[in-house]
Amino acid sequence: EAGVVQSPRYKIIEKKQPVAFWCNPISGHNTLYWYLQNLGQGPELLIRYENEEAVDDSQLPKDRFSAERLKGVDSTLKIQPAELGDSAVYLCASSRGTGNIGELFFGEGSRLTVL
Amino acid sequence: GEDVEQSLFLSVREGDSSVINCTYTDSSSTYLYWYKQEPGAGLQLLTYIFSNMDMKQDQRLTVLLNKKDKHLSLRIADTQTGDSAIYFCAGRGDYKLSFGAGTTVTVRA
Repeated sequence: EAGVVQSPRYKIIEKKQPVAFWCNPISGHNTLYWYLQNLGQGPELLIRYENEEAVDDSQLPKDRFSAERLKGVDSTLKIQPAELGDSAVYLCASSRGTGNIGELFFGEGSRLTVL
Repeated sequence: GEDVEQSLFLSVREGDSSVINCTYTDSSSTYLYWYKQEPGAGLQLLTYIFSNMDMKQDQRLTVLLNKKDKHLSLRIADTQTGDSAIYFCAGRGDYKLSFGAGTTVTVRA
């Protein structure tokens, strides 16, 4: 079984530039999550999807962050414009459904550096 | 939401047991989890315990839960160099996980 795939693994941009991250979850996993992991911290939830619906985006800074999961499979997280404080690792995870909400499968993450 | 706290660092000699501790605030958490993160990788679920259990053992891993004190621990028996990683405990509440800051375990020869 293929795992959660994320790209790019690394991205370096200048502040005020846009950036996008892509995630392909494990086949058959209806629930998809985007987490933010700052250095030395645990992951913090940004957004959770059930199929194509964003059911929890309360922690997503909507002035500059956006996400979509149009067909209920892969997902894109965008930041526009990026700020210095956005430097972090962006983790995507998936699970079979709400009942398995703790059994998350994580991708390797996309490490963003904003200069 | 759930607040989860962990000690930040643990150094252990190869072959000894490691004990990683965690405290949480939300007594309604139905499940508590331990995840492992190796350098440059995503998190990997190690084990979990249901809140009505006191202990769960899975090969070299033993999870202890003290609900009264809201304390969770992970014991790794016969610690190996491959166990060097960051270990996160997480509580489940409101359909999402809340993670601690992680405990960095260093295994020395």
